[in-house]
Amino acid sequence: DQQVKQNSPSLSVQEGRISILNCDYTNSMFDYFLWYKKYPAEGPTFLISISSIKDKNEDGRFTVFLNKSAKHLSLHIVPSQPGDSAVYFCAAANYGGSQGNLIFGKGTKLSVKP
Amino acid sequence: DAGITQSPRHKVTETGTPVTLRCHQTENHRYMYWYRQDPGHGLRLIHYSYGVKDTDKGEVSDGYSVSRSKTEDFLLTLESATSSQTSVYFCAISVLVSDYGYTFGSGTRLTVV
Repeated sequence: DQQVKQNSPSLSVQEGRISILNCDYTNSMFDYFLWYKKYPAEGPTFLISISSIKDKNEDGRFTVFLNKSAKHLSLHIVPSQPGDSAVYFCAAANYGGSQGNLIFGKGTKLSVKP
Repeated sequence: DAGITQSPRHKVTETGTPVTLRCHQTENHRYMYWYRQDPGHGLRLIHYSYGVKDTDKGEVSDGYSVSRSKTEDFLLTLESATSSQTSVYFCAISVLVSDYGYTFGSGTRLTVV
């Protein structure tokens, strides 16, 4: 069973507009969530994270929102740039318990068109 | 990069042959991980290590074994490679389980023919 779900395999956005990537999870014990970005032929790189005690975390153009009651998080990129075109992975962990390892979603491929 | 290298970067091997992938880190991080990435599956954990000689299974460990005899090296072995093990393999490192995420290597693309 998938504990972390990214239901949109791909997303296409115009440069300058907002990109919204979504992620749902099923395990209510998850207490830490992360987003990774991956370019072709490279390893994933850490982008932004959020603890379950918060509902929002910002870092420049990137903001992650967490809705614990809905078990849903989203990554907002504003404004989107062509260099943001990559695969984005959502990941979750239960750092306070036994599930300390990161569980990843399947990824969403973002294409930002000039 | 954060001092993590994977070798080889690419490998083609025949079904039934043994294959070993190497992950080497210069960060002295305690935790090391092996993931595989496949279309439609994302990143799935194969094995991980929480110290020298301390390893445990992940989600997709069947057909794989690992060894960690030194802090800096984490080896992934396919005892008898199968076509279903054709994949891109990523190694990752972290300081603690509760680290701010993992640092990943650049990956090894393995093709089993």
